Amino acid sequence: AQRVTQPEKLLSVFKGAPVELKCNYSYSGSPELFWYVQYSRQRLQLLLRHISRESIKGFTADLNKGETSFHLKKPFAQEEDSAMYYCALSPNYNDMRFGAGTRLTVKP
Amino acid sequence: DAGITQSPRYKITETGRQVTLMCHQTWSHSYMFWYRQDLGHGLRLIYYSAAADITDKGEVPDGYVVSRSKTENFPLTLESATRSQTSVYFCASHGAPTYEQYFGPGTRLTVT
Repeated sequence: AQRVTQPEKLLSVFKGAPVELKCNYSYSGSPELFWYVQYSRQRLQLLLRHISRESIKGFTADLNKGETSFHLKKPFAQEEDSAMYYCALSPNYNDMRFGAGTRLTVKP
Repeated sequence: DAGITQSPRYKITETGRQVTLMCHQTWSHSYMFWYRQDLGHGLRLIYYSAAADITDKGEVPDGYVVSRSKTENFPLTLESATRSQTSVYFCASHGAPTYEQYFGPGTRLTVT
């Protein structure tokens, strides 16, 4: 079964500290993986996708097929990074499975 | 992004009433989706549509009905609302070949 697990519901770091949001998935094939972000009172928006391998707002995520993980990292967190982050897996055009989300708080 | 809109943004209804949530997109995307967002569950897919007149169930379809007579519209109807359907509902769309979905602003529905 397709499943996305984000083990941390809440994560709090200080400004300037490194941050890592964990995401593990279960899927037998080769899915597309995404990180979406939802800032307060805003709609979900794509942060990055694994196939593009680009860095958005200083965030990166590496797909580790052996560990079936897609952790999101940023070396120096900023206060404006405070938001809800969702890891998502899409096995095909018709489906997208989301994790439960991690609420990141960056303290000044 | 004004490309995908939802209405109403907030709705309070009573148990047993029928309520329809609207979703409209201007990109002519083939695929459209309805999700509900609940604390501890993230987003769960209710229904999706691959094109006009083609719809199918997602992970949590019970109690919901959808239709898609036009590419740009994808309404979601709760035929007889229950308190367990209190949630935030998001509509999304994407156009193949990309899997990236674009989300609407959401509708916060409260069933009393």
